Amino acid sequence: DTGVSQNPRHKITKRGQNVTFRCDPISEHNRLYWYRQTLGQGPEFLTYFQNEAQLEKSRLLSDRFSAERPKGSFSTLEIQRTEQGDSAMYLCASSLDRQGDRLFFGSGTQLSVL
Amino acid sequence: GESVGLHLPTLSVQEGDNSIINCAYSNSASDYFIWYKQESGKGPQFIIDIRSNMDKRQGQRVTVLLNKTVKHLSLQIAATQPGDSAVYFCAEKEGTGRRALTFGSGTRLQVQP
Repeated sequence: DTGVSQNPRHKITKRGQNVTFRCDPISEHNRLYWYRQTLGQGPEFLTYFQNEAQLEKSRLLSDRFSAERPKGSFSTLEIQRTEQGDSAMYLCASSLDRQGDRLFFGSGTQLSVL
Repeated sequence: GESVGLHLPTLSVQEGDNSIINCAYSNSASDYFIWYKQESGKGPQFIIDIRSNMDKRQGQRVTVLLNKTVKHLSLQIAATQPGDSAVYFCAEKEGTGRRALTFGSGTRLQVQP
């Protein structure tokens, strides 16, 4: 499968715990995005990387959230001290400069904070 | 249990009919627009896109129309099939150097066999 891959697909955690999600973009895609989606809503932008540089962050990305893309390939999104309001689908997308602005999404990680 | 798509507007059509899904946007600086289809438990899937220097673009069974005067975008699906049942999102990108897409709230399309 050469699409965007996200792991795990589902994560259940207790309030206050830390969680980390991983995203493997389409090979050679230099841009990588994280979005969050709650039930019945459209995806909300969290942050964007071009290669290993984090170029844009939404105000939704509180200081409990941190994202990295150390080698410009896969990315991780960590949420510290999870809260029930963090429960959502976390989507990763990637794109390639020469293909314009079209984003290719993974299937997401569904987070449930109990 | 959970209520899926509690606040989503729903369009119900008969199989074989044409569907039109509408989207209003507010940012006059947006220069790129895109439609995604999202099935339950999956990520959004690209359908068709259009740049602001165009007002119409056609794909296979789908057409996107852009009216910049009234900031309106529509997706037309010809000969709608049961497999088209999903939630459809429009998204826009500002032409100011930002790369992120901003998504609308979505429309659920239900195709009746």
